[in-house]
Amino acid sequence: GEDVEQSLFLSVREGDSSVINCTYTDSSSTYLYWYKQEPGAGLQLLTYIFSNMDMKQDQRLTVLLNKKDKHLSLRIADTQTGDSAIYFCAESVNTGTASKLTFGTGTRLQVTL
Amino acid sequence: NAGVTQTPKFQVLKTGQSMTLQCAQDMNHEYMSWYRQDPGMGLRLIHYSVGAGITDQGEVPNGYNVSRSTTEDFPLRLLSAAPSQTSVYFCASSTLGEIGEQFFGPGTRLTVL
Repeated sequence: GEDVEQSLFLSVREGDSSVINCTYTDSSSTYLYWYKQEPGAGLQLLTYIFSNMDMKQDQRLTVLLNKKDKHLSLRIADTQTGDSAIYFCAESVNTGTASKLTFGTGTRLQVTL
Repeated sequence: NAGVTQTPKFQVLKTGQSMTLQCAQDMNHEYMSWYRQDPGMGLRLIHYSVGAGITDQGEVPNGYNVSRSTTEDFPLRLLSAAPSQTSVYFCASSTLGEIGEQFFGPGTRLTVL
């Protein structure tokens, strides 16, 4: 199966850390991705992690991967109002003819003052 | 570089009408794809292409046709619009070696009455 699941909504206060979680089912995924969608716009790649890594840090972003549990998380430190958006995790699945991305349902992050 | 462009931005159709959503990219990307985004369901892949003259079905292809006569363009045709096709449609492109790093267009919001 290729289901990727996320919780739909997360609210945090400005300055706190946000943790967005994702579970996936395809254990053969080579890379896992986090995309950000701001209101009225398309998705933009935020960061990604190779499947043989446990953690990747990129400035305020930390990605944690638990391959045994097929669990991916994105931590945003010092969350700002500009971080308010929908965050999608995605896994790359090889279909034989080409790889394709399977996206999660998206988590809407609301940052309050 | 304009990146990925989509037209129109908004469209209202009546049931049974046909139309074509346009997508173009100027990055010489081999891989292009169409997704639809519905609340609580994330992005679902409709059709994709790995190069000019090559297309394949995604997760939800019924009711849609695509063609890829050039590297730059990847139009999506709705043959006979139905209310269930009311959605936001995104086109995306990437190199074949970096499927996970897809560049998204701004989207087309389609309403079928």
